[in-house]
Amino acid sequence: GAVVSQHPSWVICKSGTSVKIECRSLDFQATTMFWYRQFPKQSLMLMATSNEGSKATYEQGVEKDKFLINHASLTLSTLTVTSAHPEDSSFYICSAIEMGLSYGYTFGSGTRLTVV
Amino acid sequence: AQRVTQPEKLLSVFKGAPVELKCNYSYSGSPELFWYVQYSRQRLQLLLRHISRESIKGFTADLNKGETSFHLKKPFAQEEDSAMYYCALSEGGADGLTFGKGTHLIIQP
Repeated sequence: GAVVSQHPSWVICKSGTSVKIECRSLDFQATTMFWYRQFPKQSLMLMATSNEGSKATYEQGVEKDKFLINHASLTLSTLTVTSAHPEDSSFYICSAIEMGLSYGYTFGSGTRLTVV
Repeated sequence: AQRVTQPEKLLSVFKGAPVELKCNYSYSGSPELFWYVQYSRQRLQLLLRHISRESIKGFTADLNKGETSFHLKKPFAQEEDSAMYYCALSEGGADGLTFGKGTHLIIQP
């Protein structure tokens, strides 16, 4: 089956610094990857959609300059939280879909970001 | 805009009892509907997608376009079914998912 690996699983950073989160499809080529954010006891909210080799599409209300997304290859997408603030603390989850959509949407295990 | 509603935050049933997790959606087009399950400390896993019409772990879900519902059912609950269940909708193709708020299912022994 399809596997998506997400790293790190948790990170603590100081306010004002940047943090990079990686999302890799291990055994399939992901034409499209998605980034979600989940607040405690709430649902997943789609932040952005990234297609390999092109600019990400951000959902309304998501700051593209704060949440930089790069999808340089068919197996890797990165989310960089720039100039992090405590309100950016959250659980970030990536998801990927395989070219033929046969696996549907496969999710990473998530990254717990805490900004202090 | 599309929306997914899961009216129950928490559902507790006894082992062996039937389970129904409700999901209603609003979308003007023809959506793809999914059920995802998240066991304690694990990632989201696909449980069902309406287009495949299969039964996984005894769970089934039927898309009712008239009632705009995609309720998840299982005739006899098992303790290992305790988890968080999310209903999700895609507009089709390679679009991201819109999730409901989730239902925490607890199966009591």
